[in-house]
Amino acid sequence: EVQLVESGGVVIQPGGSLRLSCAASGFTFDDYTMHWVRQAPGKGLEWVSLINWDGASTYYADSVRGRFTISRDNSKNSLYLQMNSLRSEDTALYYCAKGGLKITGQFDHWGQGTLVTVSS
Amino acid sequence: ETVLTQSPGTLSVFSGGRATLSCRASQSVSSYLAWYQQKSGQAPRLLIYAASSRATGIPDRFSGSGSATDFTLTISRLEPEDFAVYYCQQYGSFPYTFGQGTKLEIK
Repeated sequence: EVQLVESGGVVIQPGGSLRLSCAASGFTFDDYTMHWVRQAPGKGLEWVSLINWDGASTYYADSVRGRFTISRDNSKNSLYLQMNSLRSEDTALYYCAKGGLKITGQFDHWGQGTLVTVSS
Repeated sequence: ETVLTQSPGTLSVFSGGRATLSCRASQSVSSYLAWYQQKSGQAPRLLIYAASSRATGIPDRFSGSGSATDFTLTISRLEPEDFAVYYCQQYGSFPYTFGQGTKLEIK
């Protein structure tokens, strides 16, 4: 059974930094593209970032490019999101999602999310 | 950026009825379109990918159609557990984008 478990969400002041983690199990992690998707309270879904199987290719939403960095450690079956220069508009539930074998693909499994609140 | 516009914003249907949800893209996404269901307090769940392929374990009451810029999710024989928010998503070009969602509620 595929499992994705996010962690690292906290209440943090604007301008701060934070690293989210996603522990994956139940599939061959290093075969798959992985994503971060966020959802602000009461709002819709926003794709944040993607990383391909070996970490060589990464993509970002314009709203986070230059501030967030996605990475992965295939030896630990883990995905990360380093978040710098946080803003109030980054407040959201952050989901880790499993993509496909290629960069292009749907998100077939999601974690339960970790909540990041940016507030003074 | 490809903007996805879902309609209607809210759809009220009787249990046992049929729901038709629309998703329109601002430019062609070919068939690189997925549909997700999200229930309150839960993570989204993949229903449909490649515009018309059902994900694993999804009942055949759910069907997707369309290509290029116009897509439809149809849910037949609505059951109580189907009332939720539905999102379309395109993965044909970066940035990947989601529609704003359609809330399906019991009439």
